[in-house]
Amino acid sequence: ILNVEQSPQSLHVQEGDSTNFTCSFPSSNFYALHWYRWETAKSPEALFVMTLNGDEKKKGRISATLNTKEGYSYLYIKGSQPEDSATYLCAFKRDAGGTSYGKLTFGQGTILTVHP
Amino acid sequence: EAQVTQNPRYLITVTGKKLTVTCSQNMNHEYMSWYRQDPGLGLRQIYYSMNVEVTDKGDVPEGYKVSRKEKRNFPLILESPSPNQTSLYFCASSFLRSGLNDGYTFGSGTRLTVV
Repeated sequence: ILNVEQSPQSLHVQEGDSTNFTCSFPSSNFYALHWYRWETAKSPEALFVMTLNGDEKKKGRISATLNTKEGYSYLYIKGSQPEDSATYLCAFKRDAGGTSYGKLTFGQGTILTVHP
Repeated sequence: EAQVTQNPRYLITVTGKKLTVTCSQNMNHEYMSWYRQDPGLGLRQIYYSMNVEVTDKGDVPEGYKVSRKEKRNFPLILESPSPNQTSLYFCASSFLRSGLNDGYTFGSGTRLTVV
């Protein structure tokens, strides 16, 4: 079983603060790194799919970077709002040929709470 | 609307009574997968399928069965449920080469309680 670690486990910030979390994954046989946002009582929704070392993706106030050589990705939220409160999941896909194609291994998530 | 439909949303059952959780997607995705979510353990893969009649075990397959007779459907079967299968279950689907697109689409989840 692959090891995908996220830190911190939880985070409380004030509205307007900027924040970031980390996802660590195996640096060998990299294929893709996904980020998902998971709101309470809903299902996870894809934020970003990143495939190239040095990738930077942005969606509104949320952005992500990728370092495949050292095996980490950062998710940044600028000017956090209460509606950003959610669990943020990263997931790693290994390149191992057809048998693991499409298989994602998820981290445990970072729970973000933004206080008004 | 492109979606993954899971049913039921909530289910309480008794130990040993066979049950099926259905999953259907309308996006022509080749890849479908079942996950369970338990506190402190993250999303763990139960089974996955890369296409019709192609299924394989994930990380926690014990006590579960799946089938993929049609591209859009991927039911999860618990032949003899036990209390340790009480969990939140998600079905997800994607194109096979999903590293190049928008990621997985998840169903709305099934909260299963086995008493």
